Formats: sequence, C-alpha cells, structure tokens
Amino acid sequence: DAKTTQPNSMESNEEEPVHLPCNHSTISGTDYIHWYRQLPSQGPEYVIHGLTSNVNNRMASLAIAEDRKSSTLILHRATLRDAAVYYCILRDSGAGSYQLTFGKGTKLSVIP
Amino acid sequence: DSGVTQTPKHLITATGQRVTLRCSPRSGDLSVYWYQQSLDQGLQFLIQYYNGEERAKGNILERFSAQQFPDLHSELNLSSLELGDSALYFCASSVDSGGAGRRFFGPGTRLTVL
Repeated sequence: DAKTTQPNSMESNEEEPVHLPCNHSTISGTDYIHWYRQLPSQGPEYVIHGLTSNVNNRMASLAIAEDRKSSTLILHRATLRDAAVYYCILRDSGAGSYQLTFGKGTKLSVIP
Repeated sequence: DSGVTQTPKHLITATGQRVTLRCSPRSGDLSVYWYQQSLDQGLQFLIQYYNGEERAKGNILERFSAQQFPDLHSELNLSSLELGDSALYFCASSVDSGGAGRRFFGPGTRLTVL
C-alpha cells in the first residue's frame, strides 16, 4: 500500500465544520482513497471513499486534489459523537487481495 | 450496528493457555478478516478467509491459527498465550474476496492475559 500522512491530532468546536487532511504523494492511478474512523472502544467504521472526483454521503464529504496527492475529509458539522480516530487508507482497485493498512490516523477531539 | 458479531466480548486468561475467538460475518459476506489492536502496535492485519479458504496472511504468529466454517463463521485460535498477546481482536467482513470494497468491523473481543 502506498503511504499516507496525517496529523496526529486535531480539535474542533461542536457544530463547526472539520477538515481532516491526508497526504498521499506516492498514490498510483488505481488507488482508491478510503476513510475509516474508530470511535472509542469500538471497531473501525467505514466513512467514505473516492478515486478522482469529490464524493458526498450522509456522513461526510471527500475532497480530492486535482493531482490526487492529497485529500481532505470534511465533516460539515462536528458533533460530540464524531470524536474518533480517523484513518486515511489507499486501496488498489486492481485484482488480488488487498488488506487495509491502518496507520496512526488523526485523533479528532470535539469541544462542546 | 455493522452486522458483524464477535464473541466473547471480554476474555481473561493466564499465560500458556489457549483461547478461541468467534466471528460471524454480515449476512451474504464471504470474506472474514482478523485484526489485532494493541496500544503500541495499532491495528494489525492477521489473516483473511474467503468462502472457507485462506486468502491472505499478515502478521500472524505461528501460535495463532484461524479457520472459516461452511456457514462462513470464523474462529481465531490463540495458543501458548503470552502477556503481549493482550489486545483487542477485531474481525471484519466483506462481500468480495479482498478487493477495494468496504469492510464491516465487529465490536471486538478484548483479551487480557495475566
């Protein structure tokens, strides 16, 4: 898996937008960008994924740079339940068996 | 609720013992993945089964083994336990054989080795 770089921690005020950055300068053309999050004492949870275009779902938005060397996960209005570790992971869309390689992620704290 | 179930939730045992962790994947999912999460190592992939066959191996110790049964549930067997095996063990499932598809994680089993 290509490597990703994320800040160790970030803080946000409740009800405000949060932009979680991820750098992946060695990304290949077939690497999807996946985001998972892990709430305290729970298993990881899928958030969103994309390849080239920006993506939106009910949980978040994913903004992908034009050169695909970086991306940003956007939580539009942070709630206390969004406090978690967020992992940015690259997945190859080619054939074969690919495993999620979790890095350290970004620990998001939400301040009431 | 991801649809993936794991039992037991907590397990406390002694060094040298053997334990079995169980995982039931989401209905329809054919792949089961096992992960270990300890404080100093983060989430580490151990092994994957797809439709009863071993598909991929990660950082799994020789003292650990797994299998997937015809009903697709999986068991992770940990033997000759050491203090360092204390960790959270997660299983995940997916419908595909390990492509870029979404993984659904269970709530985990917390293993404490005393």
